[in-house]
Amino acid sequence: KAGVTQTPRYLIKTRGQQVTLSCSPISGHRSVSWYQQTPGQGLQFLFEYFSETQRNKGNFPGRFSGRQFSNSRSEMNVSTLELGDSALYLCASSLRARDKNEAFFGQGTRLTVV
Amino acid sequence: AQSVTQLGSHVSVSEGALVLLRCNYSSSVPPYLFWYVQYPNQGLQLLLKYTTGATLVKGINGFEAEFKKSETSFHLTKPSAHMSDAAEYFCAVSVMNRDDKIIFGKGTRLHILP
Repeated sequence: KAGVTQTPRYLIKTRGQQVTLSCSPISGHRSVSWYQQTPGQGLQFLFEYFSETQRNKGNFPGRFSGRQFSNSRSEMNVSTLELGDSALYLCASSLRARDKNEAFFGQGTRLTVV
Repeated sequence: AQSVTQLGSHVSVSEGALVLLRCNYSSSVPPYLFWYVQYPNQGLQLLLKYTTGATLVKGINGFEAEFKKSETSFHLTKPSAHMSDAAEYFCAVSVMNRDDKIIFGKGTRLHILP
């Protein structure tokens, strides 16, 4: 069974540009969550999608957005990139079922903004 | 709302010594609790989880954790540390209700001394 796949693994962008990251969840998982991880702030929750609907949202500016497609694949977009957006972006998928709600993580996308 | 506190952002132990990583949680309803491990430039991997039943939970790589409701704790232990255990460890909590996203602690980096 394939795990969570995130593409690309590494990305370098310039300030002011926008970026789109992709996440393919484990087959059968309908929940996809996104996290930003930085040395200073740790693991911060961005948002969660379930069946194409945003269920939860973290405390990030509107430059951060996401969506989920009918096949559960998800994308997140960051517009007008800032230097502080440099981070490891992690995607996690889950069954969201009782006793089976642990998150399975992808390897992440390392975004560097220069 | 749920929250997780991990005591100690860095913990150092000698190879062969006991590993103890502390986690306290806050939840108004019975929680589900998790420990994840992250190796450099990788995503998070589930070590173990507590949902219901036996309060002592055994996970991969010789780790175990005990759910103590009276102390609202879920500390992670391993009897004998190995060099390969050097990584960052995250404690997480969730509950199965309408707002059931997983909340992560800030992480504890485990250093193994030769």
